[in-house]
Amino acid sequence: NAGVMQNPRHLVRRRGQEARLRCSPMKGHSHVYWYRQLPEEGLKFMVYLQKENIIDESGMPKERFSAEFPKEGPSILRIQQVVRGDSAAYFCASSRRVLRKNIQYFGAGTRLSVL
Amino acid sequence: EDKVVQSPLSLVVHEGDTVTLNCSYEVTNFRSLLWYKQEKKAPTFLFMLTSSGIEKKSGRLSSILDKKELSSILNITATQTGDSAIYLCAVDWSTNAGKSTFGDGTTLTVKP
Repeated sequence: NAGVMQNPRHLVRRRGQEARLRCSPMKGHSHVYWYRQLPEEGLKFMVYLQKENIIDESGMPKERFSAEFPKEGPSILRIQQVVRGDSAAYFCASSRRVLRKNIQYFGAGTRLSVL
Repeated sequence: EDKVVQSPLSLVVHEGDTVTLNCSYEVTNFRSLLWYKQEKKAPTFLFMLTSSGIEKKSGRLSSILDKKELSSILNITATQTGDSAIYLCAVDWSTNAGKSTFGDGTTLTVKP
């Protein structure tokens, strides 16, 4: 049973380009979360999605950032017109979210570097 | 505002020492508190705590929740160099439709 798969592991973009980060949840998981982590900081929640629905995007910047989790295929976090401040590690997690249990399993992350 | 605070921010010990990491939270409608260990890449799940006073244990690691004090501790006994990592505390609450709020983590370094 493969874990949460994220790709690419490293992504280099120049300012103004677009970054697309992919996340395939664990088998049987229909809940996906995206987090951003800056050096020396904890994980900051960005967005929570279920299949085809955004449930909570309160942590996502209003501009340039978007996320989707289509019926088929991985979840995508898209950052348009990247700026240097977008450089960070982006982690995806998935869960089954059964009753009170919301144990999230994390992917290895995508490290975005904006030149 | 929902808040999760971990202390200390960093800790350096020698192999064999025992460490205690702290996590305190300010939330409404608390559901559970989770501890994760993050080495070079993905955080991995350690414990989930929902009830006060019940210790969860896994090998040399143990954790307990105190709902009255709105806090939890993670203990590691007989530390080894492989315990060096960032330890993250996260709180899950019932009214925010699924978002977990993470603390900034405690960076533990265990020296041989």
